[in-house]
Amino acid sequence: EAGVVQSPRYKIIEKKQPVAFWCNPISGHNTLYWYLQNLGQGPELLIRYENEEAVDDSQLPKDRFSAERLKGVDSTLKIQPAELGDSAVYLCASSSSRGVHSYNEQFFGPGTRLTVL
Amino acid sequence: GENVEQHPSTLSVQEGDSAVIKCTYSDSASNYFPWYKQELGKGPQLIIDIRSNVGEKKDQRIAVTLNKTAKHFSLHITETQPEDSAVYFCAASSDSGGSNYKLTFGKGTLLTVNP
Repeated sequence: EAGVVQSPRYKIIEKKQPVAFWCNPISGHNTLYWYLQNLGQGPELLIRYENEEAVDDSQLPKDRFSAERLKGVDSTLKIQPAELGDSAVYLCASSSSRGVHSYNEQFFGPGTRLTVL
Repeated sequence: GENVEQHPSTLSVQEGDSAVIKCTYSDSASNYFPWYKQELGKGPQLIIDIRSNVGEKKDQRIAVTLNKTAKHFSLHITETQPEDSAVYFCAASSDSGGSNYKLTFGKGTLLTVNP
C-alpha cells in the first residue's frame, strides 16, 4: 500500500511569491490534514478535511493561506504571498474514520521543506 | 486548548541501555496518546499509541505508560540500538463525537544511541 505522497519535496522561493504544495493521501482515507512543522518543534495542525469539507481550519492564517480538496481525494495548500517566517516543513497526513475504533492513526507524508528568501 | 510538554529535549544513551521520554498534558478530556518517531528528512511515523482505558501497552522493545490522574504518559525503549536514533514526539487528542480530531504534539526529544 502506497503511503501519503507529497510534492514537491523541497521548494525555495523569494518572499512575496506564491507557492503551492500538493498531497495525495492513502487510498480510501477520507480525512486529510495539513500540518506546519517549524525547526525543532512538533507539527501544528493547519487544517483538517473530512472528505471535501474543511471541518477545522481555525489555525489556518486565512489572509495568506488557502487550501482545497475539491474531489475529496488529493489536496493543495497555497501561500500567497509567502513571508520569511513561512519557512518550515509542511506535512500532510491522512486517516480513515471507517473502522472499529474511534481513535484513528494519522499517517504522515515526507513533507515539503519550504525556504523563503 | 490542549498543551503538551515533553522532556527531555535531548537524550543520549549507550547502545543496549534503556531510554525514557516523558510527557504531560493539560486537557483532562484527552483520551488518545500516540508516539511518533521522525527520522531526518522524513515524516513522523506512528510507533505506539495508548488509549485512556489502558494504563500500559507494550510492543517488543517499546512500551508506553499512562497516568490519567497525573496527566502524564511516558515512552520506554529497552535494549536501544543505533537505529533507534531519531526525534520522538508525543501527542494527545480527544475524541469529539467519534470522528477524527486534532493531535497536539510535544516539542520532541532527540534520542541519540551511541554504539
